[in-house]
Amino acid sequence: DTEVTQTPKHLVMGMTNKKSLKCEQHMGHRAMYWYKQKAKKPPELMFVYSYEKLSINESVPSRFSPECPNSSLLNLHLHALQPEDSALYLCASSQEYGTVVNYGYTFGSGTRLTVV
Amino acid sequence: TQLLEQSPQFLSIQEGENLTVYCNSSSVFSSLQWYRQEPGEGPVLLVTVVTGGEVKKLKRLTFQFGDARKDSSLHITAAQPGDTGLYLCAEGSSNTGKLIFGQGTTLQVKP
Repeated sequence: DTEVTQTPKHLVMGMTNKKSLKCEQHMGHRAMYWYKQKAKKPPELMFVYSYEKLSINESVPSRFSPECPNSSLLNLHLHALQPEDSALYLCASSQEYGTVVNYGYTFGSGTRLTVV
Repeated sequence: TQLLEQSPQFLSIQEGENLTVYCNSSSVFSSLQWYRQEPGEGPVLLVTVVTGGEVKKLKRLTFQFGDARKDSSLHITAAQPGDTGLYLCAEGSSNTGKLIFGQGTTLQVKP
C-alpha cells in the first residue's frame, strides 16, 4: 500500500460547526504533515508530526487542532472556522524527517473545504 | 528560510510545443524536488536531483540541476494535454522534515 488516504474529499461547514478531517497511511511512515493550499498557490505547511508527537506548528490559529492517535492516522479538528479558511487541505507522509531530502513526501488527494 | 523562485508563473501552449520551467535560489540547495499537481489531486513527486550538473529524464521530461546547485530546470518536449497541471519545485529539510515549495508554474496545454 503506497497511498495516503484522506476523507472526506469535500466538506462544506458553517462557521459554528465542528468537523474533522482524517488522513491514513499504511506505509510505515513515521512523519506526517498537514498543508493548506489556496487555488493556484503552493501548499503551505501547517503542522509536522514525528513518531506521533507534534514537532512543528507553523503559528496556526487554535481553531485548527491536529491529533495523531497512532502511527497510521492523522486528524485535523476544525472549529469556528472563517470563510477565508476555505482551501484544499493536504496530508502527506515521509519515512522520517531526514528522508524528505532524498525521497520527498507522499501526498493524499486532499479535502476541499468550504466554510460558509 | 530559503526562497525558491519559479518562472514563469503561468504558461499556456499548444499541443506539440516544447517548454522550460525554472527554479532558482540565492542559496545552495541540498537537493531539489519537482512535483506535478493535477486539478483536484495532491502533488506527486516526479524527481529528486542531488548532484550539481545532474540530468534526469522521465519520458518527455528532462530535469537539470545547475552546477552550483542554485538552480534547476524542467524541460518538456512535445507537450500533451495530459501534461496540464501545476508544477512545483521544492526543497526539503532533513532537520525539520519541512518541504518548502516554489510559487509554482501553472501549465495549460491546449489540444
